[in-house]
Amino acid sequence: EDQVTQSPEALRLQEGESSSLNCSYTVSGLRGLFWYRQDPGKGPEFLFTLYSAGEEKEKERLKATLTKKESFLHITAPKPEDSATYLCAVGPNQAGTALIFGKGTTLSVSS
Amino acid sequence: GAVVSQHPSWVICKSGTSVKIECRSLDFQATTMFWYRQFPKQSLMLMATSNEGSKATYEQGVEKDKFLINHASLTLSTLTVTSAHPEDSSFYICSARVQGNTEAFFGQGTRLTVV
Repeated sequence: EDQVTQSPEALRLQEGESSSLNCSYTVSGLRGLFWYRQDPGKGPEFLFTLYSAGEEKEKERLKATLTKKESFLHITAPKPEDSATYLCAVGPNQAGTALIFGKGTTLSVSS
Repeated sequence: GAVVSQHPSWVICKSGTSVKIECRSLDFQATTMFWYRQFPKQSLMLMATSNEGSKATYEQGVEKDKFLINHASLTLSTLTVTSAHPEDSSFYICSARVQGNTEAFFGQGTRLTVV
């Protein structure tokens, strides 16, 4: 069964305190691993797609990495505006199928 | 990235009435759109997959007669919650994937409150 597990469920950081979020997955034929950011009351905002082990992508203070079993979202020197829920999803091998989401990690960054 | 527009952003309706939510892909054609439901502090739960010109595919446990989905064009899918009850109150989100790409883009979501 395709599954995505994110940890931790919640993370509280001080401004400038770097950390990482974890996403472990099992899927029959990976067609991409996706990271989204979701603010309260809003739809998810696309951040990154990773396709193969060893791939890395960066955007401002965020860097996503991928191995064969998990992905990490590294947050360097976070700011309060980085506070949000970060969702990880995988795309199964079948075309036209929906992404499978983890439960998310809620990040709170205090100044 | 591609833009998906969802309307309305929020709606309050009386118990027993029906509510229609629209999802439009603004700058691309979407042969497939997805409807999700999200409860507070929970992740997105897939309700149905909407295919242009054909019947939607519903996930197990989702009542197809209660949640009517229409995907009449390549840029518009609608979700109608019929005979809404307070337990249908939730955050509904649509998404679409650009043909040939694997990432999905999401609408802003609709907060439905049934009173």
